[in-house]
Amino acid sequence: DADVTQTPRNRITKTGKRIMLECSQTKGHDRMYWYRQDPGLGLRLIYYSFDVKDINKGEISDGYSVSRQAQAKFSLSLESAIPNQTALYFCATRGGSGSPDTQYFGPGTRLTVL
Amino acid sequence: QKEVEQNSGPLSVPEGAIASLNCTYSDRVSQSFFWYRQYSGKSPELIMSIYSNGDKEDGRFTAQLNKASQYVSLLIRDSQPSDSATYLCAVKTGGTSYGKLTFGQGTILTVHP
Repeated sequence: DADVTQTPRNRITKTGKRIMLECSQTKGHDRMYWYRQDPGLGLRLIYYSFDVKDINKGEISDGYSVSRQAQAKFSLSLESAIPNQTALYFCATRGGSGSPDTQYFGPGTRLTVL
Repeated sequence: QKEVEQNSGPLSVPEGAIASLNCTYSDRVSQSFFWYRQYSGKSPELIMSIYSNGDKEDGRFTAQLNKASQYVSLLIRDSQPSDSATYLCAVKTGGTSYGKLTFGQGTILTVHP
């Protein structure tokens, strides 16, 4: 089984709809991240969390919110989706004594907002 | 100025050649540097990390870091078509425990037979 999973893998929605993307991990890492990727722009950080009680905005948090329900779960919500939120979204985790700086990415969620 | 900049390419090299990928960063206190490879439609995977000035070799990959010039590079020797992917440079900013990664826009590499 994959260490970092994301659901759904693909989603098409309409402008104005609320949508939630979910991320779960079995790596036991305390740090979790949400990124979006757009062609030519690389990965941009939306939100990050260092533990259940510590959530921080990234560089592009407007229009997004997050919830860290447990150490293993970190959800990203779009309260009212708009077309320019069409992108590939990745969840990532970091931690562990072996490679504390390494980030491990989930498989991604491709979101299309019509 | 972007915090982390890469030449977006595409970079095209023949099979067996050396591919050279470059990255510059703006935060002088950055201490940790990473190269990720991303195949089309897939998630990024870490291939190299480097923390000290100089070269670090791992198989066909060599990462080079020059903190004075704020420059990090990745060399791929004996390039193979399977190396064709987008390569993302990432720099860790902030403290050891609370630092976050800032990514460049990625360089598309194509290795042609």
